[in-house]
Order: sequence, then C-alpha cells, then structure tokens
Amino acid sequence: EPEVTQTPSHQVTQMGQEVILRCVPISNHLYFYWYRQILGQKVEFLVSFYNNEISEKSEIFDDQFSVERPDGSNFTLKIRSTKLEDSAMYFCASSDPDRRSNYGYTFGSGTRLTVV
Amino acid sequence: KQEVTQIPAALSVPEGENLVLNCSFTDSAIYNLQWFRQDPGKGLTSLLLIQSSQREQTSGRLNASLDKSSGRSTLYIAASQPGDSATYLCAARHISNFGNEKLTFGTGTRLTIIP
Repeated sequence: EPEVTQTPSHQVTQMGQEVILRCVPISNHLYFYWYRQILGQKVEFLVSFYNNEISEKSEIFDDQFSVERPDGSNFTLKIRSTKLEDSAMYFCASSDPDRRSNYGYTFGSGTRLTVV
Repeated sequence: KQEVTQIPAALSVPEGENLVLNCSFTDSAIYNLQWFRQDPGKGLTSLLLIQSSQREQTSGRLNASLDKSSGRSTLYIAASQPGDSATYLCAARHISNFGNEKLTFGTGTRLTIIP
C-alpha cells in the first residue's frame, strides 16, 4: 500500500529558529495537506495545496508559515520563527482525486516538533 | 462550518466485550467519513472509510455505519482485545466554506481494554 513519508520524525529547535518539515506524498495524488495536533488536543487543519498553490489555509497558518512543493515529489512546511506554542505533532497528508476511492486521505507518521 | 464530535471522550471495557464508538457531524453534505486509530505519540492509521452512498463497511472485527441524514457514524468493535487500546478518531471529508475539499476531525475517543 502506498505511503506518505515524513522526515524528521522528531525535531527539537530553539525558539525563534526556522524549521522545515518534509513530506513525500503519494505520487499520483493531487491534493496535499498539513495538519497539526497539539498534545492532548484535536487534529486541526493548517493548509491545503493544489496545483502548486495554497487552496485554503486556517487562521493558525499565519505569515510565519509557508508551504512549498520544490520538485515533483517533496512537499515542505516551513515555520520561519518558531514559538513555544508551535510545539505539536505535524502531519502531512495527501488525497486521491477520486473521492470514490477507498483510500481516502493517507497520513504520514508525523513529525514531533518541540520548541524550547 | 463542519463540526465533528465524538462521544464518549474515554471508554474502558473488559477484554472480550463488544463496544460502540460514536461520531456526529453537523453538516451532512459529506463525501465520506474515515475512522482512524492513533496510538500514544504516534501517527494516524486509517481503519475504515465509508462513502456517503454507503450504509456500512466492515474490516475484520470492525464495522462502521453511516447515517448521513442524521449526521451520525458508529464504529463497532467486536470481541475487544487489549491491543485495541488506542484513541479512535473519525473525520469527515467535505467541502469547506471556501469551496475547497477538507477533512475535519472529531475530538477522539480514548479506548482502554482491560485484560
């Protein structure tokens, strides 16, 4: 079964530093997403990406966040100047353009970001 | 705005019992509903996906039902085992207020199976 791959699995960074979280979505998927989950809280939507541009972003996704698909396979989330409250598990996902597909959304195993 | 709620927030049952987890959503205009399992500190494992045109889906000891008109889905687990202990999340695939496709997650049910 195809997988979404995320690296690194865990990243510790100092407050104010930039981080880049990396993802390799499933190759024939067209929609890409970042979600995050603060410890003990709900999985919440950050941003969706389609046709090389952001299609929607949540109120969490402010100017400190950006996404990029630099080549045909990678999808990255950059946080320019991390804050303590950015500590969370970040999930990348991709979805099959065929909504009738039984695969639905496929999530990566996540990157645990700890800001100190 | 789509809101997804899961009841109960936590559930403990003895091994071997059958159990039902509940999920409700406010906007019935969904494409499908997906159930995930999450172990502590880990990622999201897809368990079952049920299309809006379907009433139920089965995989092994798991059975998911969907009643779109009433905005409800249930996940039935038969003959529970200690290995089933995890948090179970439901998520609805729908069109957002901005016309884009989106997955909205529920609050989760933390399940503990007592040996």
